[in-house]
Amino acid sequence: DAGVTQSPTHLIKTRGQQVTLRCSPKSGHDTVSWYQQALGQGPQFIFQYYEEEERQRGNFPDRFSGHQFPNYSSELNVNALLLGDSALYLCASSGGSGTASEQYFGPGTRLTVT
Amino acid sequence: AQSVAQPEDQVNVAEGNPLTVKCTYSVSGNPYLFWYVQYPNRGLQFLLKYITGDNLVKGSYGFEAEFNKSQTSFHLKKPSALVSDSALYFCAVRDVAKTGFQKLVFGTGTRLLVSP
Repeated sequence: DAGVTQSPTHLIKTRGQQVTLRCSPKSGHDTVSWYQQALGQGPQFIFQYYEEEERQRGNFPDRFSGHQFPNYSSELNVNALLLGDSALYLCASSGGSGTASEQYFGPGTRLTVT
Repeated sequence: AQSVAQPEDQVNVAEGNPLTVKCTYSVSGNPYLFWYVQYPNRGLQFLLKYITGDNLVKGSYGFEAEFNKSQTSFHLKKPSALVSDSALYFCAVRDVAKTGFQKLVFGTGTRLLVSP
């Protein structure tokens, strides 16, 4: 049973560029959440998708947007990249239509903005 | 708002000794608490959770955690540390929106170093 997968593993972008990160949830899961983990900090919640709609959002600017596809996979898009966007981006999936408390995390995508 | 605090940036322990990684919480309502571990260049791995019931929760890799309501704490413990336990440990609390959707609120993490 494949767990949560993310691509790419690493990414280097320049300030002002745009980036798209991808996530496939664990088999049987229908809800995807995205977290940003800056160096030396705990993960911070960005947003959550269920049934192809954003269900809740953390304190992140509109430059951060997402999408969920009918197969439950998800994308995180960041526009107008800033140096401060450099972080590990973690995708987590859960079942239970978003009401399950346990989340399973992928290995993350390391984004470096230069 | 739900929150957790991890007061120690780093914990050092010798192999074979017991270890404790501390976490305190602040919640409205009943707490759902979690511990995750992160190895270098890896995502978060679930260790254990407390929802209700016994105050001592057993998890993966020999870890356990003790829930203490009066002290609002949820400390992670292991009777005998291994060098391979060296990693970054995160305490987290469930936060439920009015819609019923849930997210995790994490602490800042504690680095555990187990020396041979």
